[in-house]
Amino acid sequence: QVQVVQSGAVVKKPGASVKVSCKASGYTFTSYGITWVRQAPGQGLEWMGWISAYSGNTNYAQNLQGRVAMTIDTSTTTAYLDLKSLRSDDTAVYYCARDSCTSTSCYLDYWGQGTLVTVSS
Amino acid sequence: QSALTQPASVSGSPGQSITISCTGTSSDVGSYNLVSWYQHHPGNAPKVIIYEATKRPSGVSNRFSGSKSGNTASLTISGLLAEDEADYYCCSYAPTNTRVFGGGTKLTVL
Repeated sequence: QVQVVQSGAVVKKPGASVKVSCKASGYTFTSYGITWVRQAPGQGLEWMGWISAYSGNTNYAQNLQGRVAMTIDTSTTTAYLDLKSLRSDDTAVYYCARDSCTSTSCYLDYWGQGTLVTVSS
Repeated sequence: QSALTQPASVSGSPGQSITISCTGTSSDVGSYNLVSWYQHHPGNAPKVIIYEATKRPSGVSNRFSGSKSGNTASLTISGLLAEDEADYYCCSYAPTNTRVFGGGTKLTVL
């Protein structure tokens, strides 16, 4: 069965960097992409970006350009989210999800359990 | 890319039907039938309940239905149950292979 498991909660200081992992199993990893979504306290879901597990191509949300990087390790079927120069408003639950998007269909069908990243001095 | 527009909250009594709208632009919702809807119970991961604007994934109750007209997509939940109380988000494919979420709608079952 498909499973998506994320790394645990972390606390970081402002200006630091964070790396969140997302281990996928139960399907052909390179046949899908991974999308990252975050939810700040009391706020809605925010699309952060997408990475192809096949090619490593990425698309990032405009407001995160320059601070975010998404990578893939196909040998361990794991996706990674790196976010640098952390600010207090980066405090959020970060989710990864299997991205089943083609030219005719697009949805996020399997989600990780979420990783709480707290940015605090 | 601006967030899609959803009502902040809707409510209904058990057994009733409610509809949540999701308004985008001709660049996202209006250009693609690639609208999906997610149910999110706080503390849990979101769950897809509608994709391609009108389709239900296997295992999702047929009480959930979706539609789209022009730049607006809609989610209808019929026969409301207490367990439907959750946050609901629409999401659209957008140009250059990006995605955009709606601001979310809190459903209260009275």
